[in-house]
Amino acid sequence: QQQVKQSPQSLIVQKGGISIINCAYENTAFDYFPWYQQFPGKGPALLIAIRPDVSEKKEGRFTISFNKSAKQFSLHIMDSQPGDSATYFCAARLKNNMLTFGGGTRLMVKP
Amino acid sequence: NAGVMQNPRHLVRRRGQEARLRCSPMKGHSHVYWYRQLPEEGLKFMVYLQKENIIDESGMPKERFSAEFPKEGPSILRIQQVVRGDSAAYFCASSHIPQGKDGYTFGSGTRLTVV
Repeated sequence: QQQVKQSPQSLIVQKGGISIINCAYENTAFDYFPWYQQFPGKGPALLIAIRPDVSEKKEGRFTISFNKSAKQFSLHIMDSQPGDSATYFCAARLKNNMLTFGGGTRLMVKP
Repeated sequence: NAGVMQNPRHLVRRRGQEARLRCSPMKGHSHVYWYRQLPEEGLKFMVYLQKENIIDESGMPKERFSAEFPKEGPSILRIQQVVRGDSAAYFCASSHIPQGKDGYTFGSGTRLTVV
């Protein structure tokens, strides 16, 4: 019940394309769903986050879509750029502030 | 604000030695979380600490691993008698309570290599 399943494991997108990463969860007690971006040799950095009372959140080229009934959420990166190449992790938080992470998606944006 | 500071960045230990990893949270943050990242894998929760208290250590192996967050000084993750399987990146994060504040701030990690 603590698991967050993330797909795909890796993704190759052409510059200017849309990158889509999906996550699914089981535990309805999760109350906060952040996405983290990690570059090689660095720690994860918070990218964008959503709460379950909202179906979509957009910040610049990054959008989270949230489907509460299906217990799924996804990250969309519009106009993907080579600088977006990184590993992306979805996560879900319980009320005690503990984050559970998905397995990660390695994104490569080709020029 | 220097962010979450972890040291050392890289640590090499021989099998059987001890590894001590340090984490200084962001200023004003009193909650610290340790995660382990194996090569090509996601982040796995290990332990959650407040000052002088372990709140949740459900992700930490029962043997050889311990963590503390003293009243003064950084949080320490200690691995005794390291084995090759302990080789990983160890990330510390900190947060500010009360609930409603967004997310964690992660440090840059300590990459432990056991030879």
